[in-house]
Amino acid sequence: EPEVTQTPSHQVTQMGQEVILRCVPISNHLYFYWYRQILGQKVEFLVSFYNNEISEKSEIFDDQFSVERPDGSNFTLKIRSTKLEDSAMYFCATKPAVSHYEQYFGPGTRLTVT
Amino acid sequence: GNSVTQMEGPVTLSEEAFLTINCTYTATGYPSLFWYVQYPGEGLQLLLKATKADDKGSNKGFEATYRKETTSFHLEKGSVQVSDSAVYFCALSDQSGGYNKLIFGAGTRLAVHP
Repeated sequence: EPEVTQTPSHQVTQMGQEVILRCVPISNHLYFYWYRQILGQKVEFLVSFYNNEISEKSEIFDDQFSVERPDGSNFTLKIRSTKLEDSAMYFCATKPAVSHYEQYFGPGTRLTVT
Repeated sequence: GNSVTQMEGPVTLSEEAFLTINCTYTATGYPSLFWYVQYPGEGLQLLLKATKADDKGSNKGFEATYRKETTSFHLEKGSVQVSDSAVYFCALSDQSGGYNKLIFGAGTRLAVHP
């Protein structure tokens, strides 16, 4: 069964460094999302992406964050200058169509900022 | 705005006990409702869904009914197993932005003992 994959599974970085988290969506999926989960807290929406554009973003998704689909396969989340509070699990999710109810989640990338 | 409220955990049960995890929501329109499960160290897996009022979602012995009159989507299982120990998230599909981002509850940790 096709699945969403994410790399790396765990990233440790120093405060102020840039990180790029990668997601490979299921091949026929067109709608992409990033969520994050700070340890022990709820899963929070960051951004949705369709047709090479951001379609919606949350208050969390400030100027330090960006997303792109550089090569038509990978879907990336970049944090330009990481802060301690960016430490969280980041989940990519995808779905084939806007009318499709289910989003398919990747296994997540644990980001630790020291 | 749209939101999801879940009962606080942890919920601790003995094997074969009956499980209820309460979930209520606030939403405009007619959102789809979901239960996701997160096993230790893993990502989010869709457990069940319901897309309209009075629908019952079911999977692996778990059930939840979409109750519009009480804005609820409580998760139930008649006989839990140790392997059901996980964190359970109630979520709704927010259709206000057009791209159906998911809004999650805080999660309820379930621990089942032999």
